[in-house]
Amino acid sequence: GENVEQHPSTLSVQEGDSAVIKCTYSDSASNYFPWYKQELGKGPQLIIDIRSNVGEKKDQRIAVTLNKTAKHFSLHITETQPEDSAVYFCAASYSGGGADGLTFGKGTHLIIQP
Amino acid sequence: DTAVSQTPKYLVTQMGNDKSIKCEQNLGHDTMYWYKQDSKKFLKIMFSYNNKELIINETVPNRFSPKSPDKAHLNLHINSLELGDSAVYFCASSQGLKGYTFGSGTRLTVV
Repeated sequence: GENVEQHPSTLSVQEGDSAVIKCTYSDSASNYFPWYKQELGKGPQLIIDIRSNVGEKKDQRIAVTLNKTAKHFSLHITETQPEDSAVYFCAASYSGGGADGLTFGKGTHLIIQP
Repeated sequence: DTAVSQTPKYLVTQMGNDKSIKCEQNLGHDTMYWYKQDSKKFLKIMFSYNNKELIINETVPNRFSPKSPDKAHLNLHINSLELGDSAVYFCASSQGLKGYTFGSGTRLTVV
């Protein structure tokens, strides 16, 4: 089955700086890679996703890149703000986010220092 | 509001009891899931249901059983609760290639 590794487990950055979280996956058949943000006491919320036919996707301060050959994808957050503090999860799926379910990384606790 | 809603938000119970967690989605999604998040925040899928059919049944104890009365509901029943069942349980739904939507979670504490 799919295995997703995520690094780092904790990331502390100064407000206004950029943050990068990296993930690798094992199953070359995976074709859907979402990123979730989980705030304390809440469920994971989808912030951006990318499919295997795209190398990069951007949404305001958030961007995701995908390298299919190396089987890794990354989340980039620019101009970080205090409200970006949360746990971030990467995930991978074969069926494009459908019935097969998502395999999650172990999460990155992002801390934005004022 | 369109959402995935699950109840209760908190559940404290004694070992050996039987409990249920309810989940409802009004997004019109055709697949629903249950995920377990352990104390280290690791999220792992337990079950998924598509058109009342079980699609995935990960290696979870058979004390756990999902029940779907209709497309919009997927409830989780747990029999003979054990200390190790303490975790946060998340319901989620998805539709085809659209991303998953998660509920806000149920924190289960077994004492």
